[in-house]
Amino acid sequence: EVQLVESGGGLVQPGGSLRLSCTASGIRFSNFWMSWVRQAPGKGLEWVANTKQDGGDKYYVDSVKGRFTISRDNAQNSLYLQMNSLRGEDTAVYYCASVAIATSGTPLDYWGQGTLVTVSS
Amino acid sequence: DIQMTQSPSSLSASVGDRLTISCRASQNIQIYLNWYQQKPGKAPKLLVYAASSLQGGVPSRFSGSGFGTDFALTISSLQPEDFATYYCQQSYTNVFTFGPGTKVDIK
Repeated sequence: EVQLVESGGGLVQPGGSLRLSCTASGIRFSNFWMSWVRQAPGKGLEWVANTKQDGGDKYYVDSVKGRFTISRDNAQNSLYLQMNSLRGEDTAVYYCASVAIATSGTPLDYWGQGTLVTVSS
Repeated sequence: DIQMTQSPSSLSASVGDRLTISCRASQNIQIYLNWYQQKPGKAPKLLVYAASSLQGGVPSRFSGSGFGTDFALTISSLQPEDFATYYCQQSYTNVFTFGPGTKVDIK
């Protein structure tokens, strides 16, 4: 059974930093692109970042460029999101998801349960 | 970046209804279009990938169609468990984008 488990969310002040983690089991983690997707309270889904299998290529939504960094440790089957200079509009549930890069359409096929990040003073 | 739009943004329907949700991309994305279902407090679930391929375990009353810029998700006979929000998503570029969602609730 595939499981993605996020952790690291919490309350942080504006301008602060937080590091999210996602641990995968049941998949050959190193074969997958991985993504972070977020959802602000009462809002829709917003894709945040992608990383390729070796972690060398990374892509970000414009609103987080220069503030967030996606990374991975294939030996630990883990994905990370380092979030700096946090703003109120970053308040959201953050999901990690695997990208089925070998599947037509390249969908996000497995998702974690999400971790809540609240940016507030 | 590729922009995705969906229509309608919400709709009310009854059990047994046939409904279609539309999704449009701001440029040609071939078949790099996927559909997700999300229920309150839950993670999204992949329904359809590559515009028209049904994900394993998804009931056959769901179907997807389209190519290029215009796509649709159809539910042939709405069931109680189908009341949810539906999102389209493009993976044509390495920068993914989601549509704004369509909320389906009970009439």
